[in-house]
Amino acid sequence: NAGVTQTPKFQVLKTGQSMTLQCAQDMNHNSMYWYRQDPGMGLRLIYYSASEGTTDKGEVPNGYNVSRLNKREFSLRLESAAPSQTSVYFCASSTLGVSNQPQHFGDGTRLSIL
Amino acid sequence: QKEVEQNSGPLSVPEGAIASLNCTYSDRGSQSFFWYRQYSGKSPELIMSIYSNGDKEDGRFTAQLNKASQYVSLLIRDSQPSDSATYLCAVVIYNQGGKLIFGQGTELSVKP
Repeated sequence: NAGVTQTPKFQVLKTGQSMTLQCAQDMNHNSMYWYRQDPGMGLRLIYYSASEGTTDKGEVPNGYNVSRLNKREFSLRLESAAPSQTSVYFCASSTLGVSNQPQHFGDGTRLSIL
Repeated sequence: QKEVEQNSGPLSVPEGAIASLNCTYSDRGSQSFFWYRQYSGKSPELIMSIYSNGDKEDGRFTAQLNKASQYVSLLIRDSQPSDSATYLCAVVIYNQGGKLIFGQGTELSVKP
């Protein structure tokens, strides 16, 4: 029962470098989400995908791109990392919109931009 | 106004007391409300969901919803040190396509 799997768990980047955060779920959920969490800020939605083939911006999309590769996978890309993107990133999945099921979270990726 | 707001913490209660956590939301059309618990360094985990006005009880946890006042709360009875965590309120904002929006979280500390 893997649930939501995120890779990598930790990453340190230099300013200007690019990287992709990977997320996969095995619960056959339609919707997938990327959040970032900063101290005292709760969870802020970056991008979400209500279903395969669709993506939409959340609260804080600037500096990020996403790809919904298939129903299972939803990746988050930082094209040119900035120190302000230092954060903990959580991927989540759900069937929200179909049966009001809440979201299931991965373990997070701790990203530091130097 | 933020879409989901929680009372600022940290909240400290003695062991055995009732902890009361509060949350307000701005979208009158919202129908789904959730409370998550997050231990330090861990991912959020769902502890309560509520969809109708009134109270919903699950063990030591009670969620209360008042849609007219746009208010949802979480009561933890007989608080234990293991309840020490950050509690996140989350609301489905339907006028934004059903996105789940989180409050900033309230840190709870239960002192033995």
